[in-house]
Amino acid sequence: GEDVEQSLFLSVREGDSSVINCTYTDSSSTYLYWYKQEPGAGLQLLTYIFSNMDMKQDQRLTVLLNKKDKHLSLRIADTQTGDSAIYFCAERYNDYKLSFGAGTTVTVRA
Amino acid sequence: GAGVSQTPSNKVTEKGKYVELRCDPISGHTALYWYRQSLGQGPEFLIYFQGTGAADDSGLPNDRFFAVRPEGSVSTLKIQRTERGDSAVYLCASSLGRGAGKAFFGQGTRLTVV
Repeated sequence: GEDVEQSLFLSVREGDSSVINCTYTDSSSTYLYWYKQEPGAGLQLLTYIFSNMDMKQDQRLTVLLNKKDKHLSLRIADTQTGDSAIYFCAERYNDYKLSFGAGTTVTVRA
Repeated sequence: GAGVSQTPSNKVTEKGKYVELRCDPISGHTALYWYRQSLGQGPEFLIYFQGTGAADDSGLPNDRFFAVRPEGSVSTLKIQRTERGDSAVYLCASSLGRGAGKAFFGQGTRLTVV
């Protein structure tokens, strides 16, 4: 697989915006994904972006893709306590295989 | 079922023992995936089934690991002669077609080898 890297921790105040960053290495990746994992729960697909897009917005979530720098970010607007979780960036290695980063633990403080 | 179901949710076993982890995919999903998530890491691909056959088992770490899906629905991941390094959360996912990003994940089986 290819390497996907993320910062490990992010602490944010409730109501502020969160920005989670990710870098990937496979320039041929067609899709890039953001997953959320809450304690004791499986991975939940939050959003994804196709490689020919620069930005995708979905309610409070904004994904930015910089293909030149192989950099992906997820912005969560108006962060709530329910947003506390581990967020994984993933690239599609092929039709059936995803390559995940180590995850960013987001802690929302009051 | 409503979602991907994995049993047991937790399994503690002694080093050297054999374990089986079960995955019930969403009804009608032809594709099934197993991933392993070690502590502090993201999931790592193990094996992919399309129907009954293992289309790609390149992620299985060694020959102690084996997975089957005899009727194209339920899958079992089998680990022989378990080692402490096998301790991890084993995640199963399924999708309607071959589409890695369209897969729904189960809650995982936490395996602890003591």
